[in-house]
Amino acid sequence: AQKITQTQPGMFVQEKEAVTLDCTYDTSDQSYGLFWYKQPSSGEMIFLIYQGSYDEQNATEGRYSLNFQKARKSANLVISASQLGDSAMYFCAMRDTRGGAQKLVFGQGTRLTINP
Amino acid sequence: EPEVTQTPSHQVTQMGQEVILRCVPISNHLYFYWYRQILGQKVEFLVSFYNNEISEKSEIFDDQFSVERPDGSNFTLKIRSTKLEDSAMYFCASSEAGGRKKKQYFGPGTRLTVT
Repeated sequence: AQKITQTQPGMFVQEKEAVTLDCTYDTSDQSYGLFWYKQPSSGEMIFLIYQGSYDEQNATEGRYSLNFQKARKSANLVISASQLGDSAMYFCAMRDTRGGAQKLVFGQGTRLTINP
Repeated sequence: EPEVTQTPSHQVTQMGQEVILRCVPISNHLYFYWYRQILGQKVEFLVSFYNNEISEKSEIFDDQFSVERPDGSNFTLKIRSTKLEDSAMYFCASSEAGGRKKKQYFGPGTRLTVT
C-alpha cells in the first residue's frame, strides 16, 4: 500500500532562515506524483508544489522547492527565507492512482513555527 | 483563481441526526472528492466521484455516508445518522480530467461537531 511518512511532528525556525520539512514515501508504482499542502490555523488546504516521479528537475515554486531523491524515496520541502506567515501545518501527499480515482494519501503532517 | 466553496463552514448536530455538507466544485472540473480530518490528525480520503457515480471509496465511507451531485454545480456529502466519531473537518476537492499532474483544489472545509 502507498504510504507517506513525515517524521517531524514539529519544527521551530527563526524568521529568514531556510527550513527543510522531511517526507518519505513508499510505493511500488513507477509513475506517481507527490504534493505538498499548507494548512494554516484557519484550516484550509493550500497547494504548494508538485513533483512527478519522471520529472528530471526538482520542482520549484517561488520560495518553495522540492528536494526529490527518487532512490531514497524522499521528497523534502525546502522553504527559503522563511516568513512569519509560513507558520502552519504542512502535509506531504502522494497520488494513489490504483482504482483510477487518483485520490491523495497524506502524511501525518509537520507543524512549522517561525519565530521572529 | 477559481476556487471550491463549501457550506456551512461549521455545523453542530446531535448524535443520530442527519447532516448534509455542501460543496460547489470548480466549474470545469470532472473529478470530485471528499476527505476528512479528525482534529490533530492527518487528512483521510473518503470518496471520489466521476461521471455521476462513485469511482472509489474508503473503508470509512460506510452505509451511513452517501454522495450526490443533484445538479450541475453542487456536490453533497450526507451522513444519515451521525456519531460522535464523525466530528471532524470535511474537505471537498475537485480536479480536472485525469492526469497525474492535475492538482486537487481543496475547499475551505466544513467543521462538523457532533454532540
